[in-house]
Amino acid sequence: DAGVIQSPRHEVTEMGQEVTLRCKPISGHNSLFWYRQTMMRGLELLIYFNNNVPIDDSGMPEDRFSAKMPNASFSTLKIQPSEPRDSAVYFCASTIYGSGWETQYFGPGTRLLVL
Amino acid sequence: AQKITQTQPGMFVQEKEAVTLDCTYDTSDPSYGLFWYKQPSSGEMIFLIYQGSYDQQNATEGRYSLNFQKARKSANLVISASQLGDSAMYFCAMRELTGANSKLTFGKGITLSVRP
Repeated sequence: DAGVIQSPRHEVTEMGQEVTLRCKPISGHNSLFWYRQTMMRGLELLIYFNNNVPIDDSGMPEDRFSAKMPNASFSTLKIQPSEPRDSAVYFCASTIYGSGWETQYFGPGTRLLVL
Repeated sequence: AQKITQTQPGMFVQEKEAVTLDCTYDTSDPSYGLFWYKQPSSGEMIFLIYQGSYDQQNATEGRYSLNFQKARKSANLVISASQLGDSAMYFCAMRELTGANSKLTFGKGITLSVRP
């Protein structure tokens, strides 16, 4: 079975450019999470959705970040405009909401470098 | 206050030996789950094992077991018969169930190196 799919796997961009990260959750999963990982701050939850509805976006750093989930099989995380401090690995994870402990399964991540 | 604490410096273990990775947590929620993830140098996050706060038995999954001490609020990961492929970063995480919250809080992680 396919796991969580993220694209692109690597992204290098210049400051000020728009960046769009994509995620396809595991088929049948109805809860999706976006995380950011840096050396300084570790793994941080940015936002999560249940049944395509954003539930908690308190981790989104600022208005430059936005996330959408137009349907059950696709989500995007957009940064506009990007800044060098946004350089990090961005993970998407999914699970089945309401399924016991709701183990989250992670995608391979997108390594973002903003120059 | 940190909810998940992983304070060990880089850990080293000889191949085929067992190793314990420490994790302490802080919560007032009586219902919670504890998770361990592995992150090898390739970067992906791999789920290993979980323990529910009401589980009577310690969780086991192959060579992984979780030493759950509720009164001490610790959930240490034990890896038996270490293999070279176990060299990775290991993260402990917690989910509190009050309010049907699906959020996971992660610790800072521990680096494990397995020596041949």
